[in-house]
This record gives sequence, C-alpha cells and structure tokens, in this order.
Amino acid sequence: NAGVTQTPKFRVLKTGQSMTLLCAQDMNHEYMYWYRQDPGMGLRLIHYSVGEGTTAKGEVPDGYNVSRLKKQNFLLGLESAAPSQTSVYFCASTYARQETQYFGPGTRLLVL
Amino acid sequence: ILNVEQSPQSLHVQEGDSTNFTCSFPSSNFYALHWYRWETAKSPEALFVMTLNGDEKKKGRISATLNTKEGYSYLYIKGSQPEDSATYLCALNTGGFKTIFGAGTRLFVKA
Repeated sequence: NAGVTQTPKFRVLKTGQSMTLLCAQDMNHEYMYWYRQDPGMGLRLIHYSVGEGTTAKGEVPDGYNVSRLKKQNFLLGLESAAPSQTSVYFCASTYARQETQYFGPGTRLLVL
Repeated sequence: ILNVEQSPQSLHVQEGDSTNFTCSFPSSNFYALHWYRWETAKSPEALFVMTLNGDEKKKGRISATLNTKEGYSYLYIKGSQPEDSATYLCALNTGGFKTIFGAGTRLFVKA
C-alpha cells in the first residue's frame, strides 16, 4: 500500500515548455486535489476532482489543466510553463470531502 | 474569499517548554477543522479532525480544542521535544469539496 505517490520529484523547465505531473493513489479514494505551496503562503488549491472523469477549478487554476481518466490517477499539466509557476506541487486524496486528506511527497518545479 | 489565519507565524521554544498556537476561521462557514503536522522535506500528515463545538482531541503530548461559535482552534504541545519541530497547518472544510489551508505555524524546538 503505497498511499499517494507523485512523479517526478523534481523538474527544471524553461519558460514555454510543457510537462505533466502524475499523481497516483491506491486507497480507492474518490476525491483528489492538486495544490501548490509557495513560501509564506498556505497550500492553494489548483484543481480538484470528485470522481473519475470529473474535474473542477480551485483557487488558482490559470495556466494549469488536469485530467482524471482513471480513478487512481490525477494528472496536472502545464501547457506553457512560466517562472510564476515555480513552486512545490502537492497532490492529495480523500475518501470523503470532509475527511482527512492524504498527501503525496511533492514535486519541486523550477521554471527558468 | 474565506481566510484561515494562524498565529504566530513561527515560534522558537526550548526543549521541555509547553506551547500553543491558534487557528482562526469564519465561524459562519464551519463544517470541519483539520490539523496537520508538516516536517521539512516531507508531506503533511494528519493530526486531528474536529467537527463539534467544544471538541477536544489528544494524541500523546499534542492536543487541540475547538470553538466553532467564536471561530478558533488551539493546538497545544506539552513538554516540547526537538522532534516536534515542524510546521503545524490548520485547514477549514466548509462542507463543500474544497479545504482552505492556513499558512501554518513553524515550530522550532531547541535541545
């Protein structure tokens, strides 16, 4: 039982490049979330999903897209990376919306 | 925009000291409050979920209280140890699909 995993752990991109971050969970959770964490700020919600095939915008969705084709996976895409997207990205999942979220180890992204 | 405030931003204590910090939230939007412990270079881990006014939860030397009428929760650590050094996050769930996180209180415990 791996819990929530994220790949890659670290990535450097040039401005304008694209990439996809993968989040996988093996707990059969319905709800999955992508957050970004920046110094001095709390975790900010980018996008979330309430089940396979569904996605919704969070607090800071601009510049990101997501997909949830399989229940266990939640992908976060950056189509054209910008330096403002330099951050640490955390994926989380939970089985019910008011319950504890389980977090992945994070992906550190640097956009030059 | 709902805001979850945590204070202080950071705290330095000596080993053996007891300490506490605060999480404030809009009382009209309460459904559940979560406390997480977040060690450097790791991911946040759940400490408590609190849902009822007057709730008190305890795990070892760490405990938390909740006042939903006035919109605050306290986290207490008794006899702090160096391994308690971490960021403590509180997060508000308003009944929807989103959870709003505070910026955290960074605790440093010196041996």
